[in-house]
Amino acid sequence: KAGVTQTPRYLIKTRGQQVTLSCSPISGHRSVSWYQQTPGQGLQFLFEYFSETQRNKGNFPGRFSGRQFSNSRSEMNVSTLELGDSALYLCASSFIGDSSYEQYFGPGTRLTVT
Amino acid sequence: AQSVAQPEDQVNVAEGNPLTVKCTYSVSGNPYLFWYVQYPNRGLQFLLKYITGDNLVKGSYGFEAEFNKSQTSFHLKKPSALVSDSALYFCAVRDGAGANNLFFGTGTRLTVIP
Repeated sequence: KAGVTQTPRYLIKTRGQQVTLSCSPISGHRSVSWYQQTPGQGLQFLFEYFSETQRNKGNFPGRFSGRQFSNSRSEMNVSTLELGDSALYLCASSFIGDSSYEQYFGPGTRLTVT
Repeated sequence: AQSVAQPEDQVNVAEGNPLTVKCTYSVSGNPYLFWYVQYPNRGLQFLLKYITGDNLVKGSYGFEAEFNKSQTSFHLKKPSALVSDSALYFCAVRDGAGANNLFFGTGTRLTVIP
């Protein structure tokens, strides 16, 4: 079974621009969560989508948004980029309903804001 | 609120020696605990989890963890360290009974010295 894939792997943007990151979960997984990883703040939860609905949200400003499509693929968008948004953005998928509670992570998208 | 603490930023161990990476937790309700490992420029890989049952949990790559309710700890262990075990290790707790997202510790960098 193919793992979680994220595109692009690397991205360089300028302050004020917006960016869209994509995540394809493991086949059959309907939950997709997004995390931000930075040296200063560590791993922080952004939001989770399940069946095209946002189920849970972390403590991030409204510039961070996401969506999920009917095939469970998810995108996250960051508008009006700031230097502090430079981070590794990780997507994780999980199968809801089997009580395993495991999340499977993709390789991440490294975003650099200049 | 759920939280986990990894008191050591860095752990060094000689190859062949046993290793321990420490984690303590604070949760309301039953703890759902996880260990993940991250290699450079990679996403997180699941190692093991404690949901219920035996306090000693065995996971991938020869790792195990001991759940200790009285000490609220979930230390990661391996009897004999390999150089290839050098990586960043994260302890995580499920963020609430109805949530699917994880709350991560700050991470411990393990270096296995040949």
